[in-house]
Amino acid sequence: KAGVTQTPRYLIKTRGQQVTLSCSPISGHRSVSWYQQTPGQGLQFLFEYFSETQRNKGNFPGRFSGRQFSNSRSEMNVSTLELGDSALYLCASSEAGLDYEQYFGPGTRLTVT
Amino acid sequence: AQSVTQPDIHITVSEGASLELRCNYSYGATPYLFWYVQSPGQGLQLLLKYFSGDTLVQGIKGFEAEFKRSQSSFNLRKPSVHWSDAAEYFCAVGARAAGNKLTFGGGTRVLVKP
Repeated sequence: KAGVTQTPRYLIKTRGQQVTLSCSPISGHRSVSWYQQTPGQGLQFLFEYFSETQRNKGNFPGRFSGRQFSNSRSEMNVSTLELGDSALYLCASSEAGLDYEQYFGPGTRLTVT
Repeated sequence: AQSVTQPDIHITVSEGASLELRCNYSYGATPYLFWYVQSPGQGLQLLLKYFSGDTLVQGIKGFEAEFKRSQSSFNLRKPSVHWSDAAEYFCAVGARAAGNKLTFGGGTRVLVKP
């Protein structure tokens, strides 16, 4: 079956702009989690959506938001971009909880100039 | 709060030699423990996981890990490294009450010498 798809793969934005990233999970998976990966901070959890509800949230400012649609596809939005938001954004999908494997997508590389 | 420490940032190993990557975690209850591998430009791939039961866990690509509660460790091992094992390795911890949230260690980059 198809893996986790993230679009776009690469993105360049200017400070102050906003951006929306998309994640299509594996068919049948109801959970989508988002992570930010930077050289300085490593992998940090942003939030998780399960059946269209935010189930958990990391320690990020309110500029970072997300949602999940009825088909389990998820989007995350970052408003008022800052240089420090430059990162690889990874999403992971899972059937349910930690007893099930999480499958990661290839990520979206966001560069803020 | 959960935390994960991977003490080694870089490890260089000769092809055919054994490999051990260290991971220490901090968590009050019995954690869910994972090892992931990331190749350049790729997402993360699960190597193995531990929830309960046998403390020696076998994974894919010939990797294994041992859970030691007394040492709060979950070290990853491979008896004989192949050049294709060059990548970055991440240890992660989760908790049932926190959904699918994972807390990752800083990663260990493995270089394989021919």
